[in-house]
Amino acid sequence: KQEVTQIPAALSVPEGENLVLNCSFTDSAIYNLQWFRQDPGKGLTSLLLIQSSQREQTSGRLNASLDKSSGRSTLYIAASQPGDSATYLCAIGGSQGNLIFGKGTKLSVKP
Amino acid sequence: SAVISQKPSRDICQRGTSLTIQCQVDSQVTMMFWYRQQPGQSLTLIATANQGSEATYESGFVIDKFPISRPNLTFSTLTVSNMSPEDSSIYLCSVWEGSSYEQYFGPGTRLTVT
Repeated sequence: KQEVTQIPAALSVPEGENLVLNCSFTDSAIYNLQWFRQDPGKGLTSLLLIQSSQREQTSGRLNASLDKSSGRSTLYIAASQPGDSATYLCAIGGSQGNLIFGKGTKLSVKP
Repeated sequence: SAVISQKPSRDICQRGTSLTIQCQVDSQVTMMFWYRQQPGQSLTLIATANQGSEATYESGFVIDKFPISRPNLTFSTLTVSNMSPEDSSIYLCSVWEGSSYEQYFGPGTRLTVT
């Protein structure tokens, strides 16, 4: 059974700092991996999706990497801003579209 | 990307009653999903709802408790039946766009059962 773990559970950084969020999974037979952002009272916003054949994806200040063999993914956020404060969720995708989520990392960026 | 709306956005219900949550998508999609997020927990898949077929439920979720309808390619409902305080959660619907493989979520329905 696939299990997804995210470390740390919470993170507080000053504005401008570069940071890394970690995601690990137990079964390397994945279809894809998706990073989401969740803001209070709002749904999930898709940030980056990495197919199983890819190693990384980039969007603006965000870069996500995938190492299937070690069961790890990282989300790198450059030059963090207070608007980046949210909970970041990692999810493993199956071939039928089903997602298995980690518990998330709650990020707080202080001005 | 698909735009998804849910109704109601939140509700407070009494134990033993039922609530139906609606999910509307602005484009036709084949695969829709319903997730639950209990307080302090991550999202857990309840069921997959494909148009024209019965919903497929994950382990631990049953149709009598969470009946789902999918009458067309843009709409689905999830009913939470005979509610108890343990059903207090955020319920989210999502769609999977096969062309991009990304999954998009609605804003969620925050349910409190008293």
